[in-house]
Amino acid sequence: AQKVTQAQTEISVVEKEDVTLDCVYETRDTTYYLFWYKQPPSGELVFLIRRNSFDEQNEISGRYSWNFQKSTSSFNFTITASQVVDSAVYFCALSEGNQFYFGTGTSLTVIP
Amino acid sequence: KAGVTQTPRYLIKTRGQQVTLSCSPISGHRSVSWYQQTPGQGLQFLFEYFSETQRNKGNFPGRFSGRQFSNSRSEMNVSTLELGDSALYLCASSLVAGVNYGYTFGSGTRLTVV
Repeated sequence: AQKVTQAQTEISVVEKEDVTLDCVYETRDTTYYLFWYKQPPSGELVFLIRRNSFDEQNEISGRYSWNFQKSTSSFNFTITASQVVDSAVYFCALSEGNQFYFGTGTSLTVIP
Repeated sequence: KAGVTQTPRYLIKTRGQQVTLSCSPISGHRSVSWYQQTPGQGLQFLFEYFSETQRNKGNFPGRFSGRQFSNSRSEMNVSTLELGDSALYLCASSLVAGVNYGYTFGSGTRLTVV
């Protein structure tokens, strides 16, 4: 079974629209960490956010926001007023114990 | 501050050959991890080194090995290359050991096995 599921393979939105990228994870640990990374065409993975399992507070950083819900094992990522520069593949990841699991990624295309 | 540097950026090798990839972490970072990214399998963890010692290892055959030097630079070696080893190999560094802190990634080495 997938530890991290990103059901949306590809999403296209028109510039200035809001978009939410879904992430569902699976773990039996009580202590774990969740991450979001962005991979632009250059290939480099860019760290966006890290959240530990004890902190369910939602977070907002500029146009980015994250909604962590332990009850549904989800850690969704919303981009508000999307821009063309947001076009990339976004990965959700889970760290438990000594292992790190990435989702399969969601490819976001923002159309001008 | 320089980021994580991986060399070479692109590499073409023949099946059966061996290859060595290099990674220089961010200055001061002592943890280096390697990942393989393929369209079919996505991002998979290979191994993590901290202070010249391998701390964690993913589920890859023994043909995949690595090492870390005293200056924290790391190399990854793949012997007896197979067509399926064609992938983007990403290196990541972190100040401390352990996957819980997240990483800073390099741009990767694109390996093509023909």
